[in-house]
Amino acid sequence: GIQVEQSPPDLILQEGANSTLRCNFSDSVNNLQWFHQNPWGQLINLFYIPSGTKQNGRLSATTVATERYSLLYISSSQTTDSGVYFCAVDDYKLSFGAGTTVTVRA
Amino acid sequence: GAVVSQHPSWVICKSGTSVKIECRSLDFQATTMFWYRQFPKQSLMLMATSNEGSKATYEQGVEKDKFLINHASLTLSTLTVTSAHPEDSSFYICSAPIQGENTEAFFGQGTRLTVV
Repeated sequence: GIQVEQSPPDLILQEGANSTLRCNFSDSVNNLQWFHQNPWGQLINLFYIPSGTKQNGRLSATTVATERYSLLYISSSQTTDSGVYFCAVDDYKLSFGAGTTVTVRA
Repeated sequence: GAVVSQHPSWVICKSGTSVKIECRSLDFQATTMFWYRQFPKQSLMLMATSNEGSKATYEQGVEKDKFLINHASLTLSTLTVTSAHPEDSSFYICSAPIQGENTEAFFGQGTRLTVV
């Protein structure tokens, strides 16, 4: 199956800082999604982005399908942004990366 | 976005008993749903694909007799953990894709199972 690698594994930010999370995948994909897992375990859909760039508020994402990577940008981070961010790929049977644990400190 | 509801959110059961977890798509029909398992501080691992009207497809290493899956309708899939043991304690989460031009997956809230 497709291998998904996320970096960095952990990220500690001061409130207000910007950050970039990366997702590399080993083969071409039809589907790429970014999720935020909150402390209660709920997976929140952030972006469906097999290619191109999307923005939603302080978050934006870019996927360069030909180079097999995707980036998630968090701007002006807030404490509520803390949690684990997952990248998942494939054609509807999703394979998840290991995640990036983000801690935003006040 | 679409809504997938999972119930219960948490359950504690005695070793040897069975536990049923429900996954419902509330505002769309899902011919296929997926069940994942997540251990603490780890990623989600796909356990099985639940298919409406046919048998579930299990990933390698997942015991089909331990984890019974029934896709009773286009909006409901259930996972039953049979004869649960402490090592079955985990976070179980389901997902359902909306199929169309974009196949985006939505997830239930998850169920935290503790077997004592």
